[in-house]
Amino acid sequence: SQTIHQWPATLVQPVGSPLSLECTVEGTSNPNLYWYRQAAGRGLQLLFYSIGIDQISSEVPQNLSASRPQDRQFILSSKKLLLSDSGFYLCAWSVRRSSLPAHTQYFGPGTRLTVL
Amino acid sequence: GESVGLHLPTLSVQEGDNSIINCAYSNSASDYFIWYKQESGKGPQFIIDIRSNMDKRQGQRVTVLLNKTVKHLSLQIAATQPGDSAVYFCAENMVAGTALIFGKGTTLSVSS
Repeated sequence: SQTIHQWPATLVQPVGSPLSLECTVEGTSNPNLYWYRQAAGRGLQLLFYSIGIDQISSEVPQNLSASRPQDRQFILSSKKLLLSDSGFYLCAWSVRRSSLPAHTQYFGPGTRLTVL
Repeated sequence: GESVGLHLPTLSVQEGDNSIINCAYSNSASDYFIWYKQESGKGPQFIIDIRSNMDKRQGQRVTVLLNKTVKHLSLQIAATQPGDSAVYFCAENMVAGTALIFGKGTTLSVSS
């Protein structure tokens, strides 16, 4: 079965510090991968998605970036965090090609980021 | 902006009652809809999905109804339990799209 991992689970960082959040998927190959941010009491905002290694699409301009160095690894980074970067960051995956109803996304446990 | 929204931000029910959570969508090209459940501090969990060529789909204690005429989606939970307390999101996706569009969520509170 497929599993998705995120770490760290929680993170407290000062303004201006760098950020690296990691997401890995097990049990599937060639997944689509996604990064979302969820502000408190709000819905999910898509930040990045990737259909393959080194193929990243950005949905929202910001000071965040994403990379996919391996097929099942997705990293969210920042060189200098802002207060507004605080939130709950979720990684998700979906099957790229399937006879099943594609585009169902399966989410990881999330990382709670607090920028002080 | 978001094209998928929910009618009510909160819903409170008694244990054992049936719950109905509603969602309106505006993108007539959307072909696929999903309901997610998100418990506090956790990632959203897939509950049930439905394609636009269907108007009803049933799972275990849950039913999703789709009314394309009025662009309305609903999630019915039978015999609601305290463990059903969570935020419920609907999401839509066009077949050719790669991203889901999420609504703002409805918080379901179940009291014993």
